[in-house]
Amino acid sequence: EIVLTQSPGTLSLSPGERATLSCRASQSVSSSYLAWYQQKPGQAPRLLIYGASSRATGIPDRFSGSGSGTDFTLTISRLEPEDFAVYYCQQYGSSPRVTFGPGTKVDIK
Amino acid sequence: EVQLVESGGGLVQPGGSLRLSCAASGFTFSSYSMNWVRQAPGKGLEWVSYISSSSSTIYYADSVKGRFTISRDNAKNSLYLQMNSLRDEDTAVYYCARGPPAAIVSWFDPWGQGTLVTVSS
Repeated sequence: EIVLTQSPGTLSLSPGERATLSCRASQSVSSSYLAWYQQKPGQAPRLLIYGASSRATGIPDRFSGSGSGTDFTLTISRLEPEDFAVYYCQQYGSSPRVTFGPGTKVDIK
Repeated sequence: EVQLVESGGGLVQPGGSLRLSCAASGFTFSSYSMNWVRQAPGKGLEWVSYISSSSSTIYYADSVKGRFTISRDNAKNSLYLQMNSLRDEDTAVYYCARGPPAAIVSWFDPWGQGTLVTVSS
């Protein structure tokens, strides 16, 4: 099973700042089969990025994904008030044994 | 608008059974794979089960294999999860989530609002 580690656990930033979230895999994720999700309190997760760098439909371009192999990054170029949430990465390169990271909480500084 | 609406959650005793349903609308249900993903209170996400568009391919997480059964009815645009021999650790919000048409478990988009299953005596 591929184990995903996300860092930092919590990121405290102000609106307008840049957020850089990391997701590291215990082994290489084939074909960059990695997705990112945003989850706000009391809501279901929302897909942001798939294939490591492709934005899902309707996702603003301030969200971008990059990386390959074992190291992946989600960048939010300028934080908007609605971006404060928990972010999860998910690998599907070892499908059907897909796994999620533990999440990074982005909160207001 | 693509919509997924889960139902059937509730309180059940350990060893009991429950059947979850997910009603889909706004897209051609029979063309997409579907999944169940769960989230224990205050915890992260765990994929539970996958079913291909035609029901020909089914997968389960090791944690539920032999106890849970996924199924779908394309004529009714509905997805189901039969949960038997429930344990305390099955307590979670259960989400149904659409996958792409491909016959592998991949990303999930969109998700339903979730239904809470509580296993407790």
